[in-house]
Amino acid sequence: AAGVIQSPRHLIKEKRETATLKCYPIPRHDTVYWYQQGPGQDPQFLISFYEKMQSDKGSIPDRFSAQQFSDYHSELNMSSLELGDSALYFCATGGIGELFFGEGSRLTVL
Amino acid sequence: LAKTTQPISMDSYEGQEVNITCSHNNIATNDYITWYQQFPSQGPRFIIQGYKTKVTNEVASLFIPADRKSSTLSLPRVSLSDTAVYYCLVGAPWGNQGGKLIFGQGTELSVKP
Repeated sequence: AAGVIQSPRHLIKEKRETATLKCYPIPRHDTVYWYQQGPGQDPQFLISFYEKMQSDKGSIPDRFSAQQFSDYHSELNMSSLELGDSALYFCATGGIGELFFGEGSRLTVL
Repeated sequence: LAKTTQPISMDSYEGQEVNITCSHNNIATNDYITWYQQFPSQGPRFIIQGYKTKVTNEVASLFIPADRKSSTLSLPRVSLSDTAVYYCLVGAPWGNQGGKLIFGQGTELSVKP
């Protein structure tokens, strides 16, 4: 069965650079959630989308932005990267209650 | 938003039943309770979901009392591979009702031989 695809799986950037993470949902899933998980921490909610519109925002820095496109894939754009942005970024998609998570994109900021 | 509280850690032995309780005192009428399992460096994986009373699937049972202010995940006969972090989430993850789904502090379950 198709799962949630995230790319890239690993990304290394320098401070002040920009990064873009992509999330491809399971077909017919219209909801996307983005989470950030630092080392040894619980996942922190960043932002969510439903039918290409933003549903809600969590602790997402102003340096980050995200959108959901017409084909329902979503992108998380991160600018002016800081060391503290190093984390595992998950997206999750759903349509009828259960969330399916991708395997995450690991961002390392040097 | 319903805040959740779980024990930080639990220890068990192989073959035992493990019960993890989550408190969610301000759960809303539309909220469902969902439990996820997470292994290191992997995405959380759905275990079970319920609204009230008891739900059972092939891997776990979920007990929800009438007031819905808490829930208990029951894992029968755990094995070493059940060592993971377990999270309960409270919310209505259906499209336009979804909004935020907040992870609280999960329970780190350690299963010993």
